[in-house]
Parts: sequence; C-alpha cells; structure tokens
Amino acid sequence: EAAVTQSPRNKVAVTGGKVTLSCNQTNNHNNMYWYRQDTGHGLRLIHYSYGAGSTEKGDIPDGYKASRPSQENFSLILELATPSQTSVYFCASGDAQTNSDYTFGSGTRLLVI
Amino acid sequence: SQWGEENLQALSIQEGEDVTMNCSYKTYTTVVQWYRQKSGKGPAQLILIRSNEREKRSGRLRATLDTSSQSSSLSITGTLATDTAVYFCATHRGSALGRLHFGAGTQLIVIP
Repeated sequence: EAAVTQSPRNKVAVTGGKVTLSCNQTNNHNNMYWYRQDTGHGLRLIHYSYGAGSTEKGDIPDGYKASRPSQENFSLILELATPSQTSVYFCASGDAQTNSDYTFGSGTRLLVI
Repeated sequence: SQWGEENLQALSIQEGEDVTMNCSYKTYTTVVQWYRQKSGKGPAQLILIRSNEREKRSGRLRATLDTSSQSSSLSITGTLATDTAVYFCATHRGSALGRLHFGAGTQLIVIP
C-alpha cells in the first residue's frame, strides 16, 4: 500500500543541536512537503520539493533546511535547534499532475529542551 | 468558521445529528480540499471540490464551494462517534501549484 513514512516518531533534542527528520514515500509522487503543526492551529508549510534535487521555501522556512536526494526521500534539517521549533512535523506527498492526491505521514513529535 | 478566525473552533454534538462546518479563504484558489485529522495521526484527505463545482458528495459527506464569497462548507449527515476529529479546509496557494494553505480547523466531538 502506498504510504508516507516518517522517522523518528518522537525526538528530544537539545538547544543548539542538529536534528534531521526523515520522510519516505512509496506513492511515486513528484511533490513532497514538510509542515509543522502547533497546538490549536493548522499546518504551516516549511519547505517543499518538486522532485529529486529540488527544494523550495515555504511560508516559514527560517531555521530549517531541506534535502531531496531521491524521488522517495525528503528530509527536514534543523542545524541549530531552538525551543521555538518544538512542534509536530508532518511530511506529505502530492500528485503534481492532478494536485488532488495528497498523503500525509503520521508525524514526528519534536521536543527541543 | 475557519480562516476568517485563526483559532481552532470547537463543536460538540450527539451521535446521529447532522453537522456543517464552514471555512472562508482570502486568496484566489481553484481547489478546496477538506481533511480530517484524528488524534495522533496525520491529516487524511476527505473530499476535493474544484472551482467549477458547487457541490461534491462522498458517502455521508457533502462539500460546497462558493467562489463568489470565497467560502466552502463540509456537512456530515448521521454523525458517528468515529467522526470525532479535527476537520481542516485547505486551498492551493499562489502560483506554485500543490502548495496547500490550511485553515485553523474545527474540532468536532461526537458524543455517543
């Protein structure tokens, strides 16, 4: 079954440390996205990608980098983690042709202390 | 409704009742999508309605779109306790197709 898998599910990081969140999709979608979700709010777009080797800034990219080494994998990198980046992070893949088929992962809960 | 107000809205109803959730959006869009997010899970796409459609149905779900007022609604008939979740509307934003902009969501609690 086609899916989006995120790892780790939970992560505790120290302030100033480097954090890498990973995402793998088996949907063969060109587009992939990283969102964060804070309590009581909707999802906000951090970075996205149109295919292997491409990354684009979303609405809140500051403090984050992204990497898309292959069609299947999309990583979100926090070079210097801060407590304000404590959040739940969701990865998604989408069909670039129809813009109608989006699949989200189950999320990574990140706590920066 | 979502978006005009940025905070999460909350609704509590009895199982079997019908419910309608609304959202309004501020920017031009060709597509509105509705998502459901259950506790501890990622959002799951429920229904997509395009700007040339006024209504779309899927089982107990019905979505409407009014592009003139930039608003959309999602109705659920005969709610079940398992419909308890947060419901989001989302639009495609800007010229970069595929980027979704989410509203704050509506927390729906269905009491059995």
